[in-house]
Amino acid sequence: QKEVEQNSGPLSVPEGAIASLNCTYSDRGSQSFFWYRQYSGKSPELIMSIYSNGDKEDGRFTAQLNKASQYVSLLIRDSQPSDSATYLCAVTRSNYGGSQGNLIFGKGTKLSVKP
Amino acid sequence: DAGVIQSPRHEVTEMGQEVTLRCKPISGHDYLFWYRQTMMRGLELLIYFNNNVPIDDSGMPEDRFSAKMPNASFSTLKIQPSEPRDSAVYFCASSFFEPPGELFFGEGSRLTVL
Repeated sequence: QKEVEQNSGPLSVPEGAIASLNCTYSDRGSQSFFWYRQYSGKSPELIMSIYSNGDKEDGRFTAQLNKASQYVSLLIRDSQPSDSATYLCAVTRSNYGGSQGNLIFGKGTKLSVKP
Repeated sequence: DAGVIQSPRHEVTEMGQEVTLRCKPISGHDYLFWYRQTMMRGLELLIYFNNNVPIDDSGMPEDRFSAKMPNASFSTLKIQPSEPRDSAVYFCASSFFEPPGELFFGEGSRLTVL
C-alpha cells in the first residue's frame, strides 16, 4: 500500500467553482499534514498545514482532516485559472527511526481551472 | 533573502560521468534537505542535515550518491558514476524549524543522463 495516495488527475473545474482535492495516507501515527502547490516547471510551495481533526480555513483554501479515516482534503473556493497547478499532499511519518518524522509526499493531483 | 539557491539549473551529461549539484540554503535555516522528483516516483527525500550533520540518509538510492554539507551555507549532492535512471529534478530545501516545519524549496536542478 502506498503511503500517501492522491488521484493524479487532471481535475478540471470551471472558473469560480469549488475544486476538491483528496489524499489518503497509511500511517495511523501521522500527526502533521500539509498541502504544497507546484506550478509546472517550478518548485513546491506550502499553502496549508493542518494538525487536528476538522477544518482549517485560509482565504479561499480550506483543509480538512479526518484521522480516523486517514483522509485529508483541500477545498479551493472560487477557483481561478491561476490556481492551475499540481497539488502535493505531504504527511509526516511516525516513529521514523531516530528522525523526527520527515515528510512523505504524494505524487500530486493536477488541477486545471478553465476560464 | 534570496531564498534557496541551486546550481546548475540544468545539467545534461553522459552515462558514467560525475555530476555535482550545489545548494545554498536560506541563512539561519538549520535544516537542509535533498529531494528527487520524477513522474514515476514523485518527490522523494534523499537525505537531510541538521546543523551540517547528516541525520537521515536512508533515501540515498545507492553508493553512487553522496552528499556533504561542509558549512551552514553550502551543500553538494554528487552522483558518480551517473546512470540514465538518475535523470530527474533534484530539489534542495531548507527549514528553520525541526521537521515538519515548512520547507522552502530551491528552483531545482534538472538532470538528464544520456
